[in-house]
Amino acid sequence: TQLLEQSPQFLSIQEGENLTVYCNSSSVFSSLQWYRQEPGEGPVLLVTVVTGGEVKKLKRLTFQFGDARKDSSLHITAAQPGDTGLYLCAGLSGGYNKLIFGAGTRLAVHP
Amino acid sequence: SAVISQKPSRDICQRGTSLTIQCQVDSQVTMMFWYRQQPGQSLTLIATANQGSEATYESGFVIDKFPISRPNLTFSTLTVSNMSPEDSSIYLCSVGAGQQYFGPGTRLTVT
Repeated sequence: TQLLEQSPQFLSIQEGENLTVYCNSSSVFSSLQWYRQEPGEGPVLLVTVVTGGEVKKLKRLTFQFGDARKDSSLHITAAQPGDTGLYLCAGLSGGYNKLIFGAGTRLAVHP
Repeated sequence: SAVISQKPSRDICQRGTSLTIQCQVDSQVTMMFWYRQQPGQSLTLIATANQGSEATYESGFVIDKFPISRPNLTFSTLTVSNMSPEDSSIYLCSVGAGQQYFGPGTRLTVT
């Protein structure tokens, strides 16, 4: 069974701080995706990383995919209250179209 | 990307009854997915629904409890049958091969 462990589970920080969320597995994934979910909404795709060692930047968000394609991280620089939400990593199981989700990181950014 | 709508957005149901959730997509898609998100938790895949074939259920989910229809390439329904309070969750449909796009979810409360 493929599992994704996400940490931390909760994060409460002040506006302007930096943070990193981690997503780890013992399994290899063909790609890994990061989603953000706000209350009352479905998850919204932020980024997909495919190549081992890949780094993608989306404004203040930096995503990394581990060399072995088993882990990923999301780094947010100078967090803002609008970044508040549930961040989910999800691995695509090779050969299938099934996404396996991590437990999520609930981020609260206070003004 | 795809625009996905779900009906109802929320409902409160009595124990022992059934609720059918509808998912409508603005374009034709091959694969549709149904997820459950229990309070404060991440997403768990219930089943994959392909048009013209029986839905494929994940471990722990059975057709008698969660019957799914997929009459065409833009529409699917999920029924939650003989409900109990443990079925109180958000139910989400999604589409996509690899990257997935989610509907806003149906928040179900069973009393």
